[in-house]
Amino acid sequence: AQSVTQLGSHVSVSEGALVLLRCNYSSSVPPYLFWYVQYPNQGLQLLLKYTTGATLVKGINGFEAEFKKSETSFHLTKPSAHMSDAAEYFCAVTPSGGYQKVTFGTGTKLQVIP
Amino acid sequence: EAGVTQFPSHSVIEKGQTVTLRCDPISGHDNLYWYRRVMGKEIKFLLHFVKESKQDESGMPNNRFLAERTGGTYSTLKVQPAELEDSGVYFCASSHRQGAWETQYFGPGTRLLVL
Repeated sequence: AQSVTQLGSHVSVSEGALVLLRCNYSSSVPPYLFWYVQYPNQGLQLLLKYTTGATLVKGINGFEAEFKKSETSFHLTKPSAHMSDAAEYFCAVTPSGGYQKVTFGTGTKLQVIP
Repeated sequence: EAGVTQFPSHSVIEKGQTVTLRCDPISGHDNLYWYRRVMGKEIKFLLHFVKESKQDESGMPNNRFLAERTGGTYSTLKVQPAELEDSGVYFCASSHRQGAWETQYFGPGTRLLVL
């Protein structure tokens, strides 16, 4: 069984400030972890993923996330927020090993204040 | 390359009516998934096709929901009869091959409102 908890349904940051979106997961087997982003009126887009190897993962648009097994966390960060980052972000998990059913968190809406 | 497309983008129906949602995956993608997001909650898995076969339909809420994938190409999700709690956004996703994890590409979703 697996689950995802995203802390904060809404996060506001100032333009240029650090973005930190929190995600904790629960999985009975080694997980694959993802962050998806949904811009208004668009589908979900994969931002980054962790499968194996390096625990610090870099994604598109300057985002990165670090897999911390001891903390069961996969927080998403970006050093400097841009207005175009305003969107809803979803953390997700799937068991490693090939089966692709994905479990999502409830989402975090990011607001960027000019 | 065209992405995953879904039709309609929005649907408003009355309780008891029937609605059919359609998903066209990326050409050549064997895997097709349906997900649903009820307002304010998480996106939940409904089912998974590999080509025309249902691989996993453990997320289907009840027998009012019927998914098909004719010829392993596009898929339809029919809700009959619709209930108020069926309102939400229905997402479709596709990925290339079975086996090692591959990126799932999502469509824009169909927003269903049951009145």
